[in-house]
Amino acid sequence: EDQVTQSPEALRLQEGESSSLNCSYTVSGLRGLFWYRQDPGKGPEFLFTLYSAGEEKEKERLKATLTKKESFLHITAPKPEDSATYLCVHGGATNKLIFGTGTLLAVQP
Amino acid sequence: DGGITQSPKYLFRKEGQNVTLSCEQNLNHDAMYWYRQDPGQGLRLIYYSQIVNDFQKGDIAEGYSVSREKKESFPLTVTSAQKNPTAFYLCASSGGGGADTQYFGPGTRLTVL
Repeated sequence: EDQVTQSPEALRLQEGESSSLNCSYTVSGLRGLFWYRQDPGKGPEFLFTLYSAGEEKEKERLKATLTKKESFLHITAPKPEDSATYLCVHGGATNKLIFGTGTLLAVQP
Repeated sequence: DGGITQSPKYLFRKEGQNVTLSCEQNLNHDAMYWYRQDPGQGLRLIYYSQIVNDFQKGDIAEGYSVSREKKESFPLTVTSAQKNPTAFYLCASSGGGGADTQYFGPGTRLTVL
C-alpha cells in the first residue's frame, strides 16, 4: 500500500535546540516531494518542493533534503514561531498526492 | 495579492441539509482540488478539476458534489447523503494537474448539529 509516514508524531524542542523531522514513503515513481507548514485552524502553507535524490532547499531556519526513500526537514535554532504541524506530501507518477499525517512541533521559549 | 479564498470560515449544518462551500482563486491556475482533513489523518481528496467544465472524483467523493463553470471558482456541496460531514475542508489550486505544487486556501470548518 502506498504510504507516507512522518516521524515523530510530535516533537517538543527548547528554543535554539536544532532537530530533524523525518518523512519516509513506500510510493514509487516520485515526481515531487512537498513540505508544508500548517498552523491550527488554517490551510497548509507551501514550504518546499524537492524533485530528485540529493536535492536540498533552504528557507530561513528550515532545510529540506531528499534521498531515494526519505526526506528530512532540518530545523536549525528554532524559535517559538516555528511551532506548527509540518506536512510531507508525495507526488507520484499517477498524478496523485499522498499526504502524511504530519509532525506537530512545539518550540518552547 | 494573488491567492485562494474560502468562505465561510465556519459553517453549521443541520441533519438533512445540503450546504455549499465556496472556493475562489485569482492565481490563474487551471487545476483546483477539494480535500477533507480529519484529526489524526492525512488530507483526503474529494474532487478535483483540471479544466473548466470537467471534474473527477477523488478517493472519498460519496455524498459530495462540485461544479466548475468558471476557471476561478470551484464550489463544493456537502449533501445530506454524506453521513459524517463534520470536518475541516480545504480547497487548493495548481498551475497544472498531478504533482505540480498545490497552494491551499484558509479552510472551512463544517460542523453538523
